[in-house]
Amino acid sequence: AQSVTQLGSHVSVSEGALVLLRCNYSSSVPPYLFWYVQYPNQGLQLLLKYTSAATLVKGINGFEAEFKKSETSFHLTKPSAHMSDAAEYFCAVSPQGGSEKLVFGKGTKLTVNP
Amino acid sequence: KAGVTQTPRYLIKTRGQQVTLSCSPISGHRSVSWYQQTPGQGLQFLFEYFSETQRNKGNFPGRFSGRQFSNSRSEMNVSTLELGDSALYLCASSLGGRANAFFGQGTRLTVV
Repeated sequence: AQSVTQLGSHVSVSEGALVLLRCNYSSSVPPYLFWYVQYPNQGLQLLLKYTSAATLVKGINGFEAEFKKSETSFHLTKPSAHMSDAAEYFCAVSPQGGSEKLVFGKGTKLTVNP
Repeated sequence: KAGVTQTPRYLIKTRGQQVTLSCSPISGHRSVSWYQQTPGQGLQFLFEYFSETQRNKGNFPGRFSGRQFSNSRSEMNVSTLELGDSALYLCASSLGGRANAFFGQGTRLTVV
C-alpha cells in the first residue's frame, strides 16, 4: 500500500529563514504527490502537485518541491519564511488507478517566529 | 466560481444519534471524496463517489455511509454516533481523472 511519512510534527523557523518540510513516500509505481496547507479551522488548500512531468514543482505562495526517486522524497521548501506561512502542512500520495483517493501524512505544523 | 460548500459548519450530537453531512462540489465536478480528520489519526479517507457510484471506500465501520445525487451533491451519514466520531469531516471535489482536488472548509462534529 502506498504511504507517506512526514519527518517532524513541528518545525519552527524565523521570519526570512529557509523553510524545509520533509516528506518520504512509499510506492511501487510512480505516484502522484501533493502538498496541502491547512490554516486553523479551514479546509485544505493545494500548494503543488507532482505528476511526473518535471521533478521540480513550483507551487503557490513561493513554495516548491523536488521529487527525488532515488531517495523516495518530496520535500517542500520556501527560500524565505513569512509570518503568514504559519499553518499545518500535509504531504499526500495518490495511488494508481482511477480513484481520487489521497493518502495523507500526519502533518507538520510550521511556526514562524518574528 | 463558488468553491466546495459543506453544511453545517458545526454540529453537536449525542451518543447514539445519527447525523447527515452535506457537500456541494464545485460546478462541473463529478468526483466527491470524504475524509475524517482527528488529532490522533490525522486525515483518513472515508469514501469516494463519481457520477453517483461509490468507487472507493476506506476502512471505516458500516455506520459510515454516503451517497451522491445526480447533481453531484453528496451526503454522508453516520449512525449510532460514538464519542470517537468527533472530528472534522472534510469533503473534496474534483473533475476526476486524478485532477486537482479542492476541499471544503469542513464540518466540525462533536459527539457528547
